[in-house]
Amino acid sequence: QVQLVQSGAEVKKPGASVKVSCRVSGYTFTAYSMHWVRQAPGQGLEWVGMINPNTSWTNSSERLRGRVTMMRDTTTNTFYMEMSRLMSEDTAVYYCARVNGDYQNWFGPWGQGTLVTVSS
Amino acid sequence: DIQMTQSPSTLSASVGDTVTITCRASQSIVGWLAWYQQKPGKVPKVLIYKASSLESGVPSRFSGSGSGTEFTLTISSLQPEDFATYYCQHYISYPYTFGQGTKLEIK
Repeated sequence: QVQLVQSGAEVKKPGASVKVSCRVSGYTFTAYSMHWVRQAPGQGLEWVGMINPNTSWTNSSERLRGRVTMMRDTTTNTFYMEMSRLMSEDTAVYYCARVNGDYQNWFGPWGQGTLVTVSS
Repeated sequence: DIQMTQSPSTLSASVGDTVTITCRASQSIVGWLAWYQQKPGKVPKVLIYKASSLESGVPSRFSGSGSGTEFTLTISSLQPEDFATYYCQHYISYPYTFGQGTKLEIK
């Protein structure tokens, strides 16, 4: 079955960077785009960005552009989301979420989430 | 960017009630809208896609309707497990923005 397994919780200082991974299995890695969504404590869902694993083309939220980078490693079937110049407002659970299928761009499978805490 | 506005932000209801949540888009998204349910500490789960298509395994008391800029999620005969937060999301173009969420509480 399709599985998305994310890396563990991180605690970072303001100004540092964090790299969250999402290892997938159960489907062809390059078939479907992967998105990242974050949720600050007690808040709603915020779309962070996406990557096409076939072409490595990415798109990200305008307000995070310049600080967020999405990558993929086809040898390990793993996606990465790296965020730099962290601020306290970046404290959130970060999810990877795969589109449901071909021309089915809502989010089907999700990772379990990775809590990133930014604190001095 | 397309803005998604949900109403109400909080909704109080009783088991057995029928409730409706509205989601408005700042421009037409045709029917490219999904609804998700999220329970505390859990991952969001899709309920409805393409505005009105029910995801496999989701109870038929959930239904979606709408097109263009106005959409609704209706839950009929509320069950205890339905008390959660609901989000709409468009997926017509990037960024795939979410509504701010509607928390459905037990009255």
